Amino acid sequence: KAGVTQTPRYLIKTRGQQVTLSCSPISGHRSVSWYQQTPGQGLQFLFEYFSETQRNKGNFPGRFSGRQFSNSRSEMNVSTLELGDSALYLCASSSGQGALGNTEAFFGQGTRLTVV
Amino acid sequence: GIQVEQSPPDLILQEGANSTLRCNFSDSVNNLQWFHQNPWGQLINLFYIPSGTKQNGRLSATTVATERYSLLYISSSQTTDSGVYFCAVERPNDYKLSFGAGTTVTVRA
Repeated sequence: KAGVTQTPRYLIKTRGQQVTLSCSPISGHRSVSWYQQTPGQGLQFLFEYFSETQRNKGNFPGRFSGRQFSNSRSEMNVSTLELGDSALYLCASSSGQGALGNTEAFFGQGTRLTVV
Repeated sequence: GIQVEQSPPDLILQEGANSTLRCNFSDSVNNLQWFHQNPWGQLINLFYIPSGTKQNGRLSATTVATERYSLLYISSSQTTDSGVYFCAVERPNDYKLSFGAGTTVTVRA
């Protein structure tokens, strides 16, 4: 069974540009979550999607957005990039159908974004 | 939001030693996971353990949900156990994991 796939693995962008990251969940999983990891802030939640609906959103500016497609694949977009957006972006998938929330989450290898 | 505290922040071990990592959380949870982050950044699942005790080889974990803590045990540590260990929790119907700051483990040969 294939794991969570994130593309691209590495990305270098210039301040002011925008970027789109992609995540393909484990087959059969309908929940996709995104996290940002930086040395200063640790791992922070961005948003979660289940069956194309956003169920929760973290405390990030509106420049960060996401969406989920009918095949459960997800994309996140960051517009008007800032130097502080340099980070490891991790995507997680789960079945999303636990009685009280998500079940076990599995993470992709991440996309390392550098903004110069 | 929920607070997740991991201790100790850093741990240096001699190969073959045993250790215990702790995770305290401030609210009721329906999901608790332990991860090991590899040098390339990927979070590797160790345990999905909202309550109870589980073992997997040299690793074991216990979560006491009523007292809001979880413990990860590493026995007979090996140099390959080095890295950062994260605890993450999810509150009921929250649909997000909240992570601790991690414990950095260094195992010396």
